[in-house]
Amino acid sequence: DTEVTQTPKHLVMGMTNKKSLKCEQHMGHRAMYWYKQKAKKPPELMFVYSYEKLSINESVPSRFSPECPNSSLLNLHLHALQPEDSALYLCASSQDRGFNTEAFFGQGTRLTVV
Amino acid sequence: DQQVKQNSPSLSVQEGRISILNCDYTNSMFDYFLWYKKYPAEGPTFLISISSIKDKNEDGRFTVFLNKSAKHLSLHIVPSQPGDSAVYFCAASTGGGNKLTFGTGTQLKVEL
Repeated sequence: DTEVTQTPKHLVMGMTNKKSLKCEQHMGHRAMYWYKQKAKKPPELMFVYSYEKLSINESVPSRFSPECPNSSLLNLHLHALQPEDSALYLCASSQDRGFNTEAFFGQGTRLTVV
Repeated sequence: DQQVKQNSPSLSVQEGRISILNCDYTNSMFDYFLWYKKYPAEGPTFLISISSIKDKNEDGRFTVFLNKSAKHLSLHIVPSQPGDSAVYFCAASTGGGNKLTFGTGTQLKVEL
């Protein structure tokens, strides 16, 4: 199983809504990531969890709140988003912080904030 | 500050010929490089990687070359197939860390 599964695939939310994005992997990977990708731009790192602890926060606004309930699951809680937060949100996982580890990506959640 | 650059936003190649995608980087601390392929509305798919101790890595139709002195890497796909049509991103990281810095991407179109 080399899959990273993200739900939902599409999400439309209002600026006052609270929603969550979910990500799951069963490859035994101990590092999990959230990336954001805007149209015609490269993916940009938001958060990294290593061994279920937040290790990197790339100065992401607090309206995005990550959570790692266990080694297989990663959530991104969304609250009071802005229309400019509309993007493809990608989850990824990799084996650990060791050298030569590639990240595997999920299919993404296409988020539209109205 | 774009530390990883792909200067060709698009590339068109005939089926069966070689596709060469290029990537330049500015951060000399990068020591691990990867190529990803991305179809629309999907996540990136890992293709091939290379560490800075090597100058070439090959996997089937895909070969990555690294020129550390020029801070340049390239991905060769031969023979190119229509299913290779996608956006290709190069990415780099430092010291075995988790953070990947992506290039701007090159749209490859393989024509029949």
